[in-house]
Amino acid sequence: GDSVTQMEGPVTLSEEAFLTINCTYTATGYPSLFWYVQYPGEGLQLLLKATKADDKGSNKGFEATYRKETTSFHLEKGSVQVSDSAVYFCALSENAGNNRKLIWGLGTSLAVNP
Amino acid sequence: DADVTQTPRNRITKTGKRIMLECSQTKGHDRMYWYRQDPGLGLRLIYYSFDVKDINKGEISDGYSVSRQAQAKFSLSLESAIPNQTALYFCATSVIKGALGVSYNEQFFGPGTRLTVL
Repeated sequence: GDSVTQMEGPVTLSEEAFLTINCTYTATGYPSLFWYVQYPGEGLQLLLKATKADDKGSNKGFEATYRKETTSFHLEKGSVQVSDSAVYFCALSENAGNNRKLIWGLGTSLAVNP
Repeated sequence: DADVTQTPRNRITKTGKRIMLECSQTKGHDRMYWYRQDPGLGLRLIYYSFDVKDINKGEISDGYSVSRQAQAKFSLSLESAIPNQTALYFCATSVIKGALGVSYNEQFFGPGTRLTVL
């Protein structure tokens, strides 16, 4: 079945450092890919998405490119801030069919120090 | 105002007690979900519902039951709580978005209920 694997945390960075969180997936079809973010004490919220190969999702300075050849959707940010401290989840959903449940990675905790 | 609300936000109970967690949404979405989150285990799907008359088990439904009282309300019950059900529980809604042959399922989460079973 479909699955998502993301790098284990916690990741600890200094403010203004470059961030990469790796995410790879396996899927039988052509999924959409997502990054969700969970700030402390809150529910998850969609950070960015890409619905087909070579698409780049971006939001709040974060970017991720849908790479079909490497089955990857790595999250990047050029300069992190303390306010980016959160847990980041990679997820996929098939683009067809009525079900389309989200398949989740285990989450990567990010702590940014001033 | 929050679009997806959960009550209570925190609950401490004892082994064997019956507990109900409630979820309400004002987004008008037909699809609703219950997840639990445990450290190191990510999100696991308990139950989901695509409309009022459609209820489906997720990957970890044992020990839980649900009720979809209306389009806007989806409740999760623990009939006899046990300590390994201590977790953070999230309700979510979803809608299919997109066009031109490419659509995707976007989910919207409530703030969570932290449940502790002693």
